[in-house]
Amino acid sequence: GQQLNQSPQSMFIQEGEDVSMNCTSSSIFNTWLWYKQDPGEGPVLLIALYKAGELTSNGRLTAQFGITRKDSFLNISASIPSDVGIYFCAGQLGGGSEKLVFGKGTKLTVNP
Amino acid sequence: EAGVAQSPRYKIIEKRQSVAFWCNPISGHATLYWYQQILGQGPKLLIQFQNNGVVDDSQLPKDRFSAERLKGVDSTLKIQPAKLEDSAVYLCASRTPGLAGGRETQYFGPGTRLLVL
Repeated sequence: GQQLNQSPQSMFIQEGEDVSMNCTSSSIFNTWLWYKQDPGEGPVLLIALYKAGELTSNGRLTAQFGITRKDSFLNISASIPSDVGIYFCAGQLGGGSEKLVFGKGTKLTVNP
Repeated sequence: EAGVAQSPRYKIIEKRQSVAFWCNPISGHATLYWYQQILGQGPKLLIQFQNNGVVDDSQLPKDRFSAERLKGVDSTLKIQPAKLEDSAVYLCASRTPGLAGGRETQYFGPGTRLLVL
């Protein structure tokens, strides 16, 4: 089945630093989604990308849909302590399939 | 707008026992999903409903897992009998109705944390 390779697996940064994480796949996806999951909660949608090459921002977050449709990245600028959590990428195949395939997540720790 | 509701939030059972989880999706969302999230992994789709019909249950272990959405709104997921490896978070999600250009996204509930001893 389809798999997403998400990296890095974990990150330890200082408050104020920028963060970058990415997902790659051997399959082509029509939609890329980025979620954040806090402990004890379900994933919360951060950014959705629907077109190859699309670059979308949500506050300090920026994500891009790779031109090959096989990758996506998420950047967080000027990190703050509340950015702590696990970030997941998810790809949707489209073509009538609404199934989401998730990466294994990037655990972000921000030191004040 | 109320989010996806799930209950219970936590459940501890012994292996071979049965357990059921409940989900109430966002009002108006016809599509409902159940995911299993094992510690350290991303969510994995178990089953997808469109109204009260099953769209995809290819990854549902049907020998022990069952799910229903009889009236096309609430849904229940059951495990009978539970195994140790079923310990996970069970997430319910619902999807916005179709929009122009196919821009649809899934919204998740808080999950039910299951521990099988």
